[in-house]
Amino acid sequence: GAGVSQTPSNKVTEKGKYVELRCDPISGHTALYWYRQSLGQGPEFLIYFQGTGAADDSGLPNDRFFAVRPEGSVSTLKIQRTERGDSAVYLCASSLTSEAYNEQFFGPGTRLTVL
Amino acid sequence: GNSVTQMEGPVTLSEEAFLTINCTYTATGYPSLFWYVQYPGEGLQLLLKATKADDKGSNKGFEATYRKETTSFHLEKGSVQVSDSAVYFCALSEGISGGYNKLIFGAGTRLAVHP
Repeated sequence: GAGVSQTPSNKVTEKGKYVELRCDPISGHTALYWYRQSLGQGPEFLIYFQGTGAADDSGLPNDRFFAVRPEGSVSTLKIQRTERGDSAVYLCASSLTSEAYNEQFFGPGTRLTVL
Repeated sequence: GNSVTQMEGPVTLSEEAFLTINCTYTATGYPSLFWYVQYPGEGLQLLLKATKADDKGSNKGFEATYRKETTSFHLEKGSVQVSDSAVYFCALSEGISGGYNKLIFGAGTRLAVHP
């Protein structure tokens, strides 16, 4: 079946603008995760959804970042007043359930560039 | 907090050489351990995993053994191929009450295999 998809694949914006990044998880996966990968680094956790609710948003860097998953499937990561330091690849992953041994399937990422 | 440290790259090898990429971790409790691989132009893929001490994960000729006494999960392959050229990430699942799978990644090790 289809994997995790993310749109857009690339987003270039100007400092101060608002952006939305979309993630379509694998059908039937209840757990959804957002990570951020800066150049030369491993992914860093941002937020986790179980169903519609954000069960852990401890990785969001500040209140300019927000994410939703209103119907328990597609998720949108929203960044307000973007800053140059927000430039990174934003990765979405989903897993069938949230148990610690379950594989997370990653999407191709959205490369965000803030000019 | 929990963390993962892996050897810095790039690692450059000739085809058919033996590969070791070191990974050590710091964690409370008993995390699951993972190796993810990112091939050029592709998303992160799970390579192998181990969910408890002394487990050996294996896939595509790669192996790693969960060593609790040395808090290590080193990746090995007996004979690398050019197609193994990629970035390899060691990760652990951080045990959160409720049992969900928040991944903590190392910085990644780039492997380049030449003919």
